[in-house]
Amino acid sequence: GAGVSQSPRYKVAKRGQDVALRCDPISGHVSLFWYQQALGQGPEFLTYFQNEAQLDKSGLPSDRFFAERPEGSVSTLKIQRTQQEDSAVYLCASSVYRDATGELFFGEGSRLTVL
Amino acid sequence: DQQVKQNSPSLSVQEGRISILNCDYTNSMFDYFLWYKKYPAEGPTFLISISSIKDKNEDGRFTVFLNKSAKHLSLHIVPSQPGDSAVYFCAASGGSQGNLIFGKGTKLSVKP
Repeated sequence: GAGVSQSPRYKVAKRGQDVALRCDPISGHVSLFWYQQALGQGPEFLTYFQNEAQLDKSGLPSDRFFAERPEGSVSTLKIQRTQQEDSAVYLCASSVYRDATGELFFGEGSRLTVL
Repeated sequence: DQQVKQNSPSLSVQEGRISILNCDYTNSMFDYFLWYKKYPAEGPTFLISISSIKDKNEDGRFTVFLNKSAKHLSLHIVPSQPGDSAVYFCAASGGSQGNLIFGKGTKLSVKP
């Protein structure tokens, strides 16, 4: 596709449920980033990949959060045993550069609501 | 501790006038700065950037100014249009940061 595609756009989960959020980056983009945006806040960094290598996962808030990009293209962010504080918009971005020294292209986000 | 700060949560400007959005940063290793614009229910879209080797970058109605000694940058929009109404995020990268660090955003409202 022409842009970064994320699915699902909206997800409602019961507390304790596992969720998986998918990101399909722009074809050929080397870097892929995940951000969490709470209401009224700026995007907060979670993790980033250079091809299939996860180079930085320092922003993942707990060991319930896990991300992968096994073939260096599509990425999945998995949240286990969801809690109410996980409610946020999860943004994926990709870049032709090896890190964030250039423009990041964002998807529309996946809005997660945990009840 | 916030490394990128946007201290004004909102700004209201009359159509045709200048909008000035401000951003401060604390990490002196940052060497690349960007502004993103975000409409509701959409992802952020890139607006304009500036490298630390410059102090000004202009693109049409948008100009970004960088003052490295003050660790301050600003986005000027002139003339402002109602379609510019959105949330504007300042972001920075560089040093040991392989990722972009964002501010909390400023909501700009341009009144007709």
